[in-house]
Amino acid sequence: QVQLVESGGGVVQPGGSLRLSCAASGFTFNAYGMHWVRQAPGKGLEWVAVISKEGDKKYHADSVKGRFTISRDTSKNTLYLQLNSLRPEDTAVYYCAKGLRHLEKWGQGTLVTVSS
Amino acid sequence: EIVMTQTPLSLSVTPGQPASISCKSSQSLLHSDGDTYFYWYLQRPGQPPQLLIFEASNRFSGVPDRFSGSGSGTDFTLKISRVEAEDVGVYYCMQSLQLPPTFGQGTKVEIK
Repeated sequence: QVQLVESGGGVVQPGGSLRLSCAASGFTFNAYGMHWVRQAPGKGLEWVAVISKEGDKKYHADSVKGRFTISRDTSKNTLYLQLNSLRPEDTAVYYCAKGLRHLEKWGQGTLVTVSS
Repeated sequence: EIVMTQTPLSLSVTPGQPASISCKSSQSLLHSDGDTYFYWYLQRPGQPPQLLIFEASNRFSGVPDRFSGSGSGTDFTLKISRVEAEDVGVYYCMQSLQLPPTFGQGTKVEIK
């Protein structure tokens, strides 16, 4: 069955960096676009970034543009999100999700806490 | 960006009774390919969101038939014919017609 397992979250100081990973299994990874979506504690869903199935098209939310970068490694069936210049307002659970138009499967999420 | 507005923001329902959630988009979600890029998700407590309805009215695999979606253009509705205890959580609408994909604020459904 389809599985998405995020990792890499943790506590980081403002200005710091993290790399999130999303290990995919149970489907043909290189046949699907993939997204990152985040959810601040007690808040709603905020889209972060999307990457095409080929990996050649990437789009990021204005709130993270220039600081976060989405990428994928087809040989490892893994999606990544590089988070740089982190701010306290980036504190959230980060979910990866499968699918380009409709996010049909989500991982359990990984918590990123930005605090001094 | 396209703004998604849900009503109500909270709902308390007696088990076995129907429930309805509305979502309005700031512009039409009809694509030139004929599809409507509008979706409903349910996020149960402590869980990630799960897809319920895609392209406004299509039930996703494994979703019980008590859930139905309707609407077109800018006005959409999710209906639960008979609410069950497992339906508690927050329901979100989403559009993916244009980047960035945007979500509604969420509607919290609880059982009376």
